[in-house]
Amino acid sequence: DVKVTQSSRYLVKRTGEKVFLECVQDMDHENMFWYRQDPGLGLRLIYFSYDVKMKEKGDIPEGYSVSREKKERFSLILESASTNQTSMYLCASRSTSGGSISSYNEQFFGPGTRLTVL
Amino acid sequence: QQQVKQSPQSLIVQKGGISIINCAYENTAFDYFPWYQQFPGKGPALLIAIRPDVSEKKEGRFTISFNKSAKQFSLHIMDSQPGDSATYFCAAKAGNNRKLIWGLGTSLAVNP
Repeated sequence: DVKVTQSSRYLVKRTGEKVFLECVQDMDHENMFWYRQDPGLGLRLIYFSYDVKMKEKGDIPEGYSVSREKKERFSLILESASTNQTSMYLCASRSTSGGSISSYNEQFFGPGTRLTVL
Repeated sequence: QQQVKQSPQSLIVQKGGISIINCAYENTAFDYFPWYQQFPGKGPALLIAIRPDVSEKKEGRFTISFNKSAKQFSLHIMDSQPGDSATYFCAAKAGNNRKLIWGLGTSLAVNP
């Protein structure tokens, strides 16, 4: 089974702090994604990485950066946390190979990190 | 601009009933349409997916109906159970694009 783990389930930080959210996948997937989920706004893509050291902005990258130094690990960085970044953060990974339409398109999600910025 | 429009936002169904969630899209380049299911405290997980070359796909009690000319697709949950209570997301993807375009989600509650 694919497993995507996130470093924390709950996190409380203060405004202005630098925050690191870590995501690790164990299936050698090429693509990894960071989303935030807010009530009524669905899943919004922050950044994604299509390979090691490669990244691309998603729909809402402002205030965030990412790092992918190893294939299995994708980090989301809040350079200076603000209260409007209080949210659920979800990491996902995806393989770029497979024999069926779902096997190479499926995104596997971690359990999420609920971040509160005070 | 919401490229995939999902409705309703919330849905309450009695046990044994049929739950129907609808999605509409504009981009005719979309060629992969998945539905994800998310339980409270968990990340979303792929439930079922369809390509536009078929009009229906069924897996157990879950069926995707696809109408290419209307640019709509829907999820039907037959014999809905309280354990189906979750948030459901439709999504779409075009070709080799790495990103999924997501609907805003539907919160389904199945009353016992």
